Amino acid sequence: GAVVSQHPSWVICKSGTSVKIECRSLDFQATTMFWYRQFPKQSLMLMATSNEGSKATYEQGVEKDKFLINHASLTLSTLTVTSAHPEDSSFYICSARVLGTGKPGYSSYNEQFFGPGTRLTVL
Amino acid sequence: AQSVAQPEDQVNVAEGNPLTVKCTYSVSGNPYLFWYVQYPNRGLQFLLKYITGDNLVKGSYGFEAEFNKSQTSFHLKKPSALVSDSALYFCAVRNSWGKLQFGAGTQVVVTP
Repeated sequence: GAVVSQHPSWVICKSGTSVKIECRSLDFQATTMFWYRQFPKQSLMLMATSNEGSKATYEQGVEKDKFLINHASLTLSTLTVTSAHPEDSSFYICSARVLGTGKPGYSSYNEQFFGPGTRLTVL
Repeated sequence: AQSVAQPEDQVNVAEGNPLTVKCTYSVSGNPYLFWYVQYPNRGLQFLLKYITGDNLVKGSYGFEAEFNKSQTSFHLKKPSALVSDSALYFCAVRNSWGKLQFGAGTQVVVTP
């Protein structure tokens, strides 16, 4: 249980185009999803916190107009990189937080489960 | 402000030998500490966590970690390393809002 998927797993796009990345919780509901960015051989940096039905909260230094986040349902959040440039090339990882306490099979309330990541290359 | 440090960029160990990956933390209040492993071009896999209770935490794949409050450490250990344990390991601390802050990561290389 607690599986999180991301689509696509990798994408190559031209500079100036927009790219949408989906993050889905497959077998649980998640009121909160997190988006991270990871450069090669570096740590994960939190970009934003996505809450279902409300606006995302962005970390300091992250351009909210460039990285559009939508959390339309309890199982889906999307990250759109608008007008992508080569410096946006990175590995983007999402995580989803389990909703509720005492859920059968989930002993980890408030635990984050991570997707497999999306490799974005902007040419 | 909370922080977590992994002082070693890389740890090299021969297969069958003990493996230790170091992590120290700085938090106000009680720490919620995690270890994750990442294989190339993959997301993070949860290994173990410390929330409360026993200082020795056992996790997945034979890993364990010892919470040491006086030394503010949470080192990851495995008694006998496997070549397949070669990966990038992250220590993380979670704040009261549920946000995870990760260490810089430690590359583990296990040689046959």
